Amino acid sequence: GEDVEQSLFLSVREGDSSVINCTYTDSSSTYLYWYKQEPGAGLQLLTYIFSNMDMKQDQRLTVLLNKKDKHLSLRIADTQTGDSAIYFCAESIISSGSARQLTFGSGTQLTVLP
Amino acid sequence: NAGVTQTPKFRVLKTGQSMTLLCAQDMNHEYMYWYRQDPGMGLRLIHYSVGEGTTAKGEVPDGYNVSRLKKQNFLLGLESAAPSQTSVYFCASSSQGVEQYFGPGTRLTVT
Repeated sequence: GEDVEQSLFLSVREGDSSVINCTYTDSSSTYLYWYKQEPGAGLQLLTYIFSNMDMKQDQRLTVLLNKKDKHLSLRIADTQTGDSAIYFCAESIISSGSARQLTFGSGTQLTVLP
Repeated sequence: NAGVTQTPKFRVLKTGQSMTLLCAQDMNHEYMYWYRQDPGMGLRLIHYSVGEGTTAKGEVPDGYNVSRLKKQNFLLGLESAAPSQTSVYFCASSSQGVEQYFGPGTRLTVT
């Protein structure tokens, strides 16, 4: 079965790098995602990586995937107070008709201290 | 282009009452999804649809029904609400199944 795990909390100083980690169990996952949720809001898709890639960089965001260890990480460079939010890791499997079912972790609350 | 919208934003129900949550998307997406989010947990998939007129069960479908009569709308129904259905409900849509875009959520309380 699928299970996605994340640490619950992370605090960093403004200007430092943040690294949020995630482990997943389903080896058939094809895509892995990072979503951001601010208080009272929906989930915002930050980035995703295909399972045959090791790394993806998008401006301040770097995603690293270790498929052997089923470990995914999100690095945010030069973390700002506006980055304070809950970050969800998710894996996807293909269900009927190519619809992808996402399995989410419980989220990591990132707090950026001034 | 409003993206994914959800109606209502908040609702309080008594046990046994029924209601329908509406999700609308203006991106011409084929796939639509309903999730629930409980405190300290990630989102769990309730039902999803791969196109107009189709629906399928997700991880936690019991107590819910859905309909997709029009491509742009996906309705989630609770026929007899229970306190265990107190949650925040999110709708999402996707064009090819890879990127899912979420609505702002509906906060439902069942007393």
